[in-house]
Amino acid sequence: NAGVTQTPKFRILKIGQSMTLQCTQDMNHNYMYWYRQDPGMGLKLIYYSVGAGITDKGEVPNGYNVSRSTTEDFPLRLELAAPSQTSVYFCASSEGQAHYNEQFFGPGTRLTVL
Amino acid sequence: QQPVQSPQAVILREGEDAVINCSSSKALYSVHWYRQKHGEAPVFLMILLKGGEQKGHDKISASFNEKKQQSSLYLTASQLSYSGTYFCGTASSSGGYNKLIFGAGTRLAVHP
Repeated sequence: NAGVTQTPKFRILKIGQSMTLQCTQDMNHNYMYWYRQDPGMGLKLIYYSVGAGITDKGEVPNGYNVSRSTTEDFPLRLELAAPSQTSVYFCASSEGQAHYNEQFFGPGTRLTVL
Repeated sequence: QQPVQSPQAVILREGEDAVINCSSSKALYSVHWYRQKHGEAPVFLMILLKGGEQKGHDKISASFNEKKQQSSLYLTASQLSYSGTYFCGTASSSGGYNKLIFGAGTRLAVHP
């Protein structure tokens, strides 16, 4: 099993550009999450999904959108990139509800907005 | 609301012990502990659940005081491999079963 994979590993965007961060898991997990981690800080939940077709906002959803059309994929969309979105983005998945289950993290995408 | 971790940083020599604390103002369902090495993804250590159940690595020791909404992670006889940043994540009654809120982290450096 590859676990949770993310692409790209690194990306530099100009202000106002858009991009999609890809996340795929091969563990058949229903629950998936997107976090951002600013330098020297903890993880902030952006969006999460409890299954295909079902998504909900986390702590910091503004400026992002998600979709979940399959169990495996959970892409994160940035529509109008801003310098405040410079961060490392981690995707994670869990077999069941977050309160009771281990989360498996992908390797992260390091995004810089200039 | 974000749980508060203390201390912010710890420096140890190999073989020494450390305690990392996590405190919340919310009633908690569970507390989760993760370790992150520099430039890598967080890795699961353990879950402590309301009612006393624990899930995770046998070699990691932790406690959860439900009444005080506090958890502590005990690192004994530290090894160089213990170095990294430790995060607690909490699931609370206000946040629901589907979200974890993470603390800002405790940086641990273990030196020979």
